[in-house]
Amino acid sequence: LAKTTQPISMDSYEGQEVNITCSHNNIATNDYITWYQQFPSQGPRFIIQGYKTKVTNEVASLFIPADRKSSTLSLPRVSLSDTAVYYCLVGDKNSNYQLIWGAGTKLIIKP
Amino acid sequence: SAVISQKPSRDICQRGTSLTIQCQVDSQVTMMFWYRQQPGQSLTLIATANQGSEATYESGFVIDKFPISRPNLTFSTLTVSNMSPEDSSIYLCSVNRAWDTEAFFGQGTRLTVV
Repeated sequence: LAKTTQPISMDSYEGQEVNITCSHNNIATNDYITWYQQFPSQGPRFIIQGYKTKVTNEVASLFIPADRKSSTLSLPRVSLSDTAVYYCLVGDKNSNYQLIWGAGTKLIIKP
Repeated sequence: SAVISQKPSRDICQRGTSLTIQCQVDSQVTMMFWYRQQPGQSLTLIATANQGSEATYESGFVIDKFPISRPNLTFSTLTVSNMSPEDSSIYLCSVNRAWDTEAFFGQGTRLTVV
């Protein structure tokens, strides 16, 4: 299972677009890239998942270059409530969905 | 989505005792996982709970310390046995369904051992 590397922390301001990049140099052919959000005293919550190119949903976009060795989570127009820890994971759906959790990125949004 | 009810939400326990954490899912799921999360740290997988067979434990975790039950496709328990202060942590239950692209998590159990 591929490991991931993310910045430990990031700061931004309300209304800004925030991009969090994740490195996964050893990603395997069958691996998907998934991002989770975790607030204090809660379990992680799924944000978005992708395999290649770009994926967009109602809360975020995920950009994956052709070599798939990195990915960028983009949060448009963040608010204070987006302050959380964001985890990037790679995993193969066929490997019992076991996930290796990296350190995550602590995102702090300021007014 | 899958709704997970995890109990208790928190507990303070004496060292040497055991605590059983329950995880109830609102639908049948194939895979159930138990994680530990130290304060301010990331998640560490303890074991995968398989229905009808013994749990599969990750390196550093053993069945005698963390016995797991999985009696059916909607329920699992994790017991933290013979607790010490080092077991103080948040324990999380997680599930995956074969057709889902995401994992779902319970709210966690915050355990403090004194």
